[in-house]
Amino acid sequence: DIQMTQSPSSLSASVGDRVTITCRASQDINNYLSWFQQKPGKAPKSLIYLASNLQSGVPSRFSGSGSGTDFTLTISSLQPEDFATYYCQQYKSYPRTFGQGTKVEIK
Amino acid sequence: EVQLVESGGGLVQPGGSLRLSCAASGFAFSSFWMSWVRQAPGKGLEWVANIKQDGSGEYYVDSVKGRFTISRDNADNSLYLQMNSLRAEDTAVYYCARAGRSGGSMDVWGQGTTVTVSS
Repeated sequence: DIQMTQSPSSLSASVGDRVTITCRASQDINNYLSWFQQKPGKAPKSLIYLASNLQSGVPSRFSGSGSGTDFTLTISSLQPEDFATYYCQQYKSYPRTFGQGTKVEIK
Repeated sequence: EVQLVESGGGLVQPGGSLRLSCAASGFAFSSFWMSWVRQAPGKGLEWVANIKQDGSGEYYVDSVKGRFTISRDNADNSLYLQMNSLRAEDTAVYYCARAGRSGGSMDVWGQGTTVTVSS
């Protein structure tokens, strides 16, 4: 199974900050990576697919990059509605696997 | 509007069975792979199963193989998860999700249905 490791597990940031979350795969997954945002008590929301493609309707302050084993999700200017938990997920092979999540909290 | 609505969750005793349903609307259901993903209380997301457009291919996480069965009815735009021999560790919110035309990225999610396995 491909292990997905996110860092950090949590972070505190202020509105307007630039935030970067890292996701590392235990083996090469090309660019078969998605990023999701989840708020408490809500379903996950897809943000990015194929490592760097923004889903329709997702604000342009979100961006993704990387290929192979190392990936990043960047929020260029954190907004109040962005405080949530973020997950990466690989779909290069089965079983599909998620990172453990990164909780973005208000400083 | 593209929408997925899960139902069928509830409280079940260990060893029992439950069938989850997911009603799809607003898109060509038969053209997409579909997935089930779960989230145990206070934990992260765990992929459970995928099914191909025509139901000819199914994939499962090891922990549910032989106990859970994913299926679909394209005529009724519905996805199912039959869960047998349930264990306490199956307690979770179960989400259905649309998984693209090749079983990849999950772009649309339902609101989830809660399964509690307890005596």
